[in-house]
Amino acid sequence: DVKVTQSSRYLVKRTGEKVFLECVQDMDHENMFWYRQDPGLGLRLIYFSYDVKMKEKGDIPEGYSVSREKKERFSLILESASTNQTSMYLCASKDSVQAYEQYFGPGTRLTVT
Amino acid sequence: KNQVEQSPQSLIILEGKNCTLQCNYTVSPFSNLRWYKQDTGRGPVSLTIMTFSENTKSNGRYTATLDADTKQSSLHITASQLSDSASYICVVTGGGGYNKLIFGAGTRLAVHP
Repeated sequence: DVKVTQSSRYLVKRTGEKVFLECVQDMDHENMFWYRQDPGLGLRLIYFSYDVKMKEKGDIPEGYSVSREKKERFSLILESASTNQTSMYLCASKDSVQAYEQYFGPGTRLTVT
Repeated sequence: KNQVEQSPQSLIILEGKNCTLQCNYTVSPFSNLRWYKQDTGRGPVSLTIMTFSENTKSNGRYTATLDADTKQSSLHITASQLSDSASYICVVTGGGGYNKLIFGAGTRLAVHP
C-alpha cells in the first residue's frame, strides 16, 4: 500500500512565523503535490513537483514556497504565516505524469492566530 | 472555465437507505472522473475512477455512473452504513498539462441510526 505521511496533524502558529509542513511518501513516486482545502471550496493546488529539485506553481502559490531535495520528501513553506492561511493542507503523490491515481496524506490542520 | 459542481452540499439519510450524489462538470479536455471519500480529519481515498469510454463502475456498495455527453456523473450508495458518513468528492482530470485535477467542493453525507 502506498503510504503518504505528513509531519503534523494539527499545528498552531502565530502571524509572521515561518512554517514548515513536511510530506513523505514511501512508494518512490515521481510526482508530489500540495493542496489546501477550505470549507465550501474544492481542493486547490498550491505547488507540485515532478522530480527532485523541480517545482511548478499551482493555482494559488502566493505566500507559499516548496522544497524537494529528496524524491520521497516534499516540503511546503509559509515564509510569513498569515491568518488567511489557516486551512487544511493535504499532500499527495503519484507515480508519473501519466498515472491516474493520486494518493493523499492525512492532512495537516494549520491554525494561524 | 473548468469547473466541477456537486449537489447536494449536504445530505442526511437513515442507516440502510440508498442515496445518490450528483456531479456536473465543464472540464475540457476530459481524461477521467474519480470519486473520493474523505472521512472527517483525513485525506481523500479513491472509490472509483472512470475514463471517457466507461459509463459505470462499482466498488462494493458504491456505484458510479458517467454520462460524457451531458458531462454528468452520479455516485449511488446502496444500503448505507454509519461508516459511510463522510464527504464525497468528485474530481475530473483534464483541462491542462500534467493531468490537472479539478475538484468539486464535495457532498457531506451523514448517516443516522
